[in-house]
Amino acid sequence: KAGVTQTPRYLIKTRGQQVTLSCSPISGHRSVSWYQQTPGQGLQFLFEYFSETQRNKGNFPGRFSGRQFSNSRSEMNVSTLELGDSALYLCASSTDYGYTFGSGTRLTVV
Amino acid sequence: EDQVTQSPEALRLQEGESSSLNCSYTVSGLRGLFWYRQDPGKGPEFLFTLYSAGEEKEKERLKATLTKKESFLHITAPKPEDSATYLCAALDNTDKLIFGTGTRLQVFP
Repeated sequence: KAGVTQTPRYLIKTRGQQVTLSCSPISGHRSVSWYQQTPGQGLQFLFEYFSETQRNKGNFPGRFSGRQFSNSRSEMNVSTLELGDSALYLCASSTDYGYTFGSGTRLTVV
Repeated sequence: EDQVTQSPEALRLQEGESSSLNCSYTVSGLRGLFWYRQDPGKGPEFLFTLYSAGEEKEKERLKATLTKKESFLHITAPKPEDSATYLCAALDNTDKLIFGTGTRLQVFP
């Protein structure tokens, strides 16, 4: 059974640019959530989507947005990138039984 | 405010030296307490879910326990391959998963 797939694995962007990250959940999982992981803050919840609707949102600025498609694939967008957005972005797909994480996208903003 | 705190931040053990990692939580309406293992450059790998105080789960050298305020991950006779960061996360009553900052475990021969 395929796991959670995140693309790309690595990205380097310049301040002020925007970026889109992709997440394909485990087949049959309808919930996808996104997390930002930094050395100082650990994993912080960004948002969760279920059946194409945002069900939950963390405390991040409006520059961070997401969406989910009818096939449950999800994208996360960050506009006007700042140096502090450099992090590992993790996606998890879930059922009632637990959360499975992808390997993440390492974003570096220069 | 919901919070999850893990201790210690880092732990160095000799192979075979058992120890415990702590996760204390203050979360509204806890729906589950999760333990994950994370290796460098990878996503967290699921270990256990605990749902109610008194519950215990075991897997190989690991055993997780839960009380009303904290959870412990006991590591018995660890091996170097157990070296990783161990993350604890609490699922609140809005279905948000709140993570601690992790315990970085090093096991040396």
